[in-house]
Amino acid sequence: AQKVTQAQTEISVVEKEDVTLDCVYETRDTTYYLFWYKQPPSGELVFLIRRNSFDEQNEISGRYSWNFQKSTSSFNFTITASQVVDSAVYFCALSEAWGTNAGKSTFGDGTTLTVKP
Amino acid sequence: ETGVTQTPRHLVMGMTNKKSLKCEQHLGHNAMYWYKQSAKKPLELMFVYNFKEQTENNSVPSRFSPECPNSSHLFLHLHTLQPEDSALYLCASSPGREPADTQYFGPGTRLTVL
Repeated sequence: AQKVTQAQTEISVVEKEDVTLDCVYETRDTTYYLFWYKQPPSGELVFLIRRNSFDEQNEISGRYSWNFQKSTSSFNFTITASQVVDSAVYFCALSEAWGTNAGKSTFGDGTTLTVKP
Repeated sequence: ETGVTQTPRHLVMGMTNKKSLKCEQHLGHNAMYWYKQSAKKPLELMFVYNFKEQTENNSVPSRFSPECPNSSHLFLHLHTLQPEDSALYLCASSPGREPADTQYFGPGTRLTVL
């Protein structure tokens, strides 16, 4: 069975602070994909990143960066110099590539990030 | 229009009503999904359609009935719902070429069952 844990339910920071959102996953599959989505108050989940299990390189996109550590089954997300517009619920998700769960995304419970001015 | 659209955005219905949620994607994708997002619960996958064929029904009660007439449109027909069915219903689509494609979501329909 696959599982995604986002232990941080809510995080509050002041603008310009760096913040890291944790994501820990469980899977028996050797080939899988990890995702992060952002859900602003409007409700729509916005895709941020997709990473496959064979690519452990960290990725940076502007103020966003992701740290994939296969050894600890973690895929953490860092926002540098946070802004008020970053306030949202962030979801980490896992999707196995093969087997009975292939293509079914399992989402974490989400982390609500509030960035105060 | 681009992306994934959902109508209506808000819906209030009684337990004896029949209503339908509509989802349309303009991305040329072949797979479409329905998710339920309740307060205090993670996203729950309800149905998956791939090339118009239903490939997943995640033990959803029969009062929810999906319909996928073509790869661009997905409906969720609702009848005799319960108050606990109140939630945000999200539609998503993906290319459908790989098992773990990126899914692109619509804005959701906020459903309230009285």
